[in-house]
Amino acid sequence: AQSVTQLGSHVSVSEGALVLLRCNYSSSVPPYLFWYVQYPNQGLQLLLKYTTGATLVKGINGFEAEFKKSETSFHLTKPSAHMSDAAEYFCAVTRDDKIIFGKGTRLHILP
Amino acid sequence: DAGITQSPRYKITETGRQVTLMCHQTWSHSYMFWYRQDLGHGLRLIYYSAAADITDKGEVPDGYVVSRSKTENFPLTLESATRSQTSVYFCASSEQLLYTEAFFGQGTRLTVV
Repeated sequence: AQSVTQLGSHVSVSEGALVLLRCNYSSSVPPYLFWYVQYPNQGLQLLLKYTTGATLVKGINGFEAEFKKSETSFHLTKPSAHMSDAAEYFCAVTRDDKIIFGKGTRLHILP
Repeated sequence: DAGITQSPRYKITETGRQVTLMCHQTWSHSYMFWYRQDLGHGLRLIYYSAAADITDKGEVPDGYVVSRSKTENFPLTLESATRSQTSVYFCASSEQLLYTEAFFGQGTRLTVV
């Protein structure tokens, strides 16, 4: 079975500080991994994805994630947080005609 | 307009009533999904469809019915609404699934009283 675990349902960082949101997956085969963002009262939109190739993936709004097979991780980072980054972030994996989401991490930005 | 649209955006209904949430996409994507979002549970898959006339259960299908007679439409019906079905419902579509992103509607906030 394949699942996704996001560590921390809430994360707070100061504006300008590093953002690190953690995602671990369990899989017996190479996964296809995604990060989505949800702003208040909106649907989800894609931040970035890993399918094959380069393990460091760059996405929109300055976010990036690194696929580490040895650690079964796909953590999301951004060097400098901005107030507009406040949102909920979901890690996801695809398998068997389905998209499986983690429970989400709400990112709070402190002024 | 191109995209994926859900209707209605907000709905209040009474316990026991039948409710249908609509989802329409203009891309002719093969895959479509229904999720519910609840605090503490993230997004849970209700039903999904790999093509027209092909549907399958997700994680929480009880109390819900879907159909997909046309590629672009994927309605979700609550046959007899219960308070536990109060939630925000999201529809999504994807062209290829494994390699490509899913596109989400704006959501339907359903309240069952």
